[in-house]
Amino acid sequence: DAGITQSPRHKVTETGTPVTLRCHQTENHRYMYWYRQDPGHGLRLIHYSYGVKDTDKGEVSDGYSVSRSKTEDFLLTLESATSSQTSVYFCAISMGGQTPNQPQHFGDGTRLSIL
Amino acid sequence: GNSVTQMEGPVTLSEEAFLTINCTYTATGYPSLFWYVQYPGEGLQLLLKATKADDKGSNKGFEATYRKETTSFHLEKGSVQVSDSAVYFCALSFKNRDDKIIFGKGTRLHILP
Repeated sequence: DAGITQSPRHKVTETGTPVTLRCHQTENHRYMYWYRQDPGHGLRLIHYSYGVKDTDKGEVSDGYSVSRSKTEDFLLTLESATSSQTSVYFCAISMGGQTPNQPQHFGDGTRLSIL
Repeated sequence: GNSVTQMEGPVTLSEEAFLTINCTYTATGYPSLFWYVQYPGEGLQLLLKATKADDKGSNKGFEATYRKETTSFHLEKGSVQVSDSAVYFCALSFKNRDDKIIFGKGTRLHILP
C-alpha cells in the first residue's frame, strides 16, 4: 500500500453545509491530487498540489477549495455543499518532479452524499 | 487536446475467455500510458505501464503494447478469472511540472464462473 489515508470514508450531509475531506500520506511525496468519480465520467481532477502551499485547479474546480500546509496533508473543502457534489472522492499522490512519468497511487476514497 | 478513449462497458465474459479492452489516445508529443484497475469499494491501482513506443507492459497475466502508429494501448489477457471482475481505466501522462494523468472513462468487466 502507498500509505494514503482518506477521512472520513463516508459522509452524509445537507445542502449548504461546509464539508472538509482529508488526505494524509506517509510517503513524503511531493504531488497530491483530488479527483471525483461519477458514473459515465470516469475520474475528473478537481485540484492538485505540487508542494506545500502550492496548489492549482483541475478541470472541475468550481465549488471546491484546497489547502496544503504540510507535505503529508491535503484538504479538500466544499464551502457550501450542493447535491451535484454527491460523488466518490479520491486522493492520489505521486513522486513527480525529477522522476519521469511516475504512476499515481490512490487512497480508498470518500463516499459523500449531499441531501 | 490530450484525451483517452476506451470501449464502453460493461463487458461480460465467461471464465477462461480471452479479454481485449480497447484504448486509443490523442496526444501532442509522447506520453506514458497506463492501465489502472479498480476493485469494488477500493481506489485505483496501477496494473501496468509503458513509457515509449513498442514497449509492452505486463502484470498478473495482463499485457498492453504501446502502439504509436495506431495511438493505441489495448489491454489483453489470455484467460480471465472471476477475480478479474473490476473497472479498468486507461490513462496517459506527460513528464512535466505537475505530472497530471488523463483518464479514460473506465470499462467495467464482469466475469461469469
